[in-house]
Amino acid sequence: QKEVEQNSGPLSVPEGAIASLNCTYSDRGSQSFFWYRQYSGKSPELIMSIYSNGDKEDGRFTAQLNKASQYVSLLIRDSQPSDSATYLCAPGGGATNKLIFGTGTLLAVQP
Amino acid sequence: EAQVTQNPRYLITVTGKKLTVTCSQNMNHEYMSWYRQDPGLGLRQIYYSMNVEVTDKGDVPEGYKVSRKEKRNFPLILESPSPNQTSLYFCASSGPGGPNTEAFFGQGTRLTVV
Repeated sequence: QKEVEQNSGPLSVPEGAIASLNCTYSDRGSQSFFWYRQYSGKSPELIMSIYSNGDKEDGRFTAQLNKASQYVSLLIRDSQPSDSATYLCAPGGGATNKLIFGTGTLLAVQP
Repeated sequence: EAQVTQNPRYLITVTGKKLTVTCSQNMNHEYMSWYRQDPGLGLRQIYYSMNVEVTDKGDVPEGYKVSRKEKRNFPLILESPSPNQTSLYFCASSGPGGPNTEAFFGQGTRLTVV
């Protein structure tokens, strides 16, 4: 089992729709969780962090965490073509001092 | 401006010729790390450093060396590059809390080994 699993996509959604991105992780000791957005050929940039079970909202983005299920998700409401990118899930720390990333989900928002 | 700076941005080299990719951050971060990114494999951690003189292997350390003599700098050294090290490389740094806090990334270095 991979340490961090994401569906590679592409996930295609029409403009204005909700995009739902999912991530599962294996390290039960992870306490912090991050979503990064990466445009093609560019550096990853943080868009959301979540530390407690439940939902965290920031503008059009909502992160959801369920530690018991080892599951974290990202919802993007009112998707825009500019949201088209790869989204990387990263559970922080845990049993090691490594910062591990999932392979990412490619999101394509169709105008 | 808070930033992580990598150099060079692009590099083409020949097999076996030693090279160094520099990384510098101006945020006084303790935690720094190097990643390589390959299609379908995502970001894989090569080495990380918790602080000055403290380095440890990530998931793909073979063929690479690092050093952390100063807090701000974390160079990546390829002693004898091979074509399978052709990749996009990123340096990143994080503040207190290390891997449990936001990572700031450099612009990336695209390395081609022929």
